[in-house]
Amino acid sequence: SQTIHQWPATLVQPVGSPLSLECTVEGTSNPNLYWYRQAAGRGLQLLFYSVGIGQISSEVPQNLSASRPQDRQFILSSKKLLLSDSGFYLCAFPREGNADTQYFGPGTRLTVL
Amino acid sequence: SQQGEEDPQALSIQEGENATMNCSYKTSINNLQWYRQNSGRGLVHLILIRSNEREKHSGRLRVTLDTSKKSSSLLITASRAADTASYFCATRPTGGGNKLTFGTGTQLKVEL
Repeated sequence: SQTIHQWPATLVQPVGSPLSLECTVEGTSNPNLYWYRQAAGRGLQLLFYSVGIGQISSEVPQNLSASRPQDRQFILSSKKLLLSDSGFYLCAFPREGNADTQYFGPGTRLTVL
Repeated sequence: SQQGEEDPQALSIQEGENATMNCSYKTSINNLQWYRQNSGRGLVHLILIRSNEREKHSGRLRVTLDTSKKSSSLLITASRAADTASYFCATRPTGGGNKLTFGTGTQLKVEL
């Protein structure tokens, strides 16, 4: 069965510090992977998606970057965090049986102070 | 920018009542989906309706789609306290590959 893990679950970081959020998936191979950010009380904004190892597409210009070093691993990074990077970060991939829909991880709550 | 806009932004009802949420979008779509999010959790897929469908049912959920008005509605019948969550519509634009565009969500509270 498909599973998706994200860590850490919560993170509090000072402005200007680096960031690394990790997403790993199981039960699938060569999936499309997606990073979303959700601001408080808002909808999801697609940040990055990847169709394979080393292949990253950025949806919005920002202070963040993404990498896919392995087939089932997707990493979201920043060299220097901004206050505006605070939010709830979600990783997702296409659900088994219906690739039109997405299966989401539990998310990482990032607070930048 | 967000393609989907849900209304109302917040809805409070009593258990047993029906809840209706609406979603409007701007471009042509391949399909429209509804997701649910419990507070502080990831999203869970509820139901998908394709552009050539007008209505779909799944348990207590009923979704309609009007492509001429670029709108959809989600009806939850006989609501329960456990239905309390945020509900989001997401569209897969025609020619948009595998990307989904999410709306801003409706926060539903079902009170006992």
